[in-house]
Amino acid sequence: IQLTQSPSSLSASVGDRVTITCRASQGISSYLAWYQQKPGKAPKVLIYAASTLQSGVPSRFSGTGSGTDFTLTISSLQPEDFATYYCQQLNSYPYTFGQGTKLEIK
Amino acid sequence: EVQLVESGGGLVKPGGSLRLSCVVSGFTFSSYSVNWVRQAPGKGLEWVSSISADSGYIYYADSVRGRFTISRDNAKNSLYLQMNSLRAEDTAVYFCAREVIAVAWSAFDIWGLGTMVTVSS
Repeated sequence: IQLTQSPSSLSASVGDRVTITCRASQGISSYLAWYQQKPGKAPKVLIYAASTLQSGVPSRFSGTGSGTDFTLTISSLQPEDFATYYCQQLNSYPYTFGQGTKLEIK
Repeated sequence: EVQLVESGGGLVKPGGSLRLSCVVSGFTFSSYSVNWVRQAPGKGLEWVSSISADSGYIYYADSVRGRFTISRDNAKNSLYLQMNSLRAEDTAVYFCAREVIAVAWSAFDIWGLGTMVTVSS
């Protein structure tokens, strides 16, 4: 199953609302997770089951979707949110990740 | 503290072998599936392999099947990745990650810091 994220990169300002999309090549129900990765660090799970916020993750992060189309929204960007974001499908093996979306400061 | 610590990375020549280890602490290792994920320099994440809690289910990415072998020792709280016939394209940081599996979802909720593998002559 291929995952296509868009955009591949995004410039935004603190306080902006941003949305990243992830499209699966076939239906994956809600078996989708979103991760945040900062340079030199391990990924961190933000959202699982497409829309469930991981414990400890700020509520400005939210996820929607099921089937083939998913979104990650950050309602009001904070300085610490500038990072690369990946979606991942866990519906079937081989597990796959999207190519990533690099969120940069404008 | 829940922790996964990888080791065993290094520089190896093409065609060589390397064995990665991931030692876990802070949770009941024998209750969880665990995975290896890699990231080539400047590139995205690539899932490599998965092993179920009792080693009964094992899966590989096409890119490593037949060359890599995943295993675990629950008594030692350890996960392994035996990598043979290494290629330049296997150069990457290798992460181990715990997988939480529920009725209608799963996710990699805890990750190690990674270990670097460089395949070069």
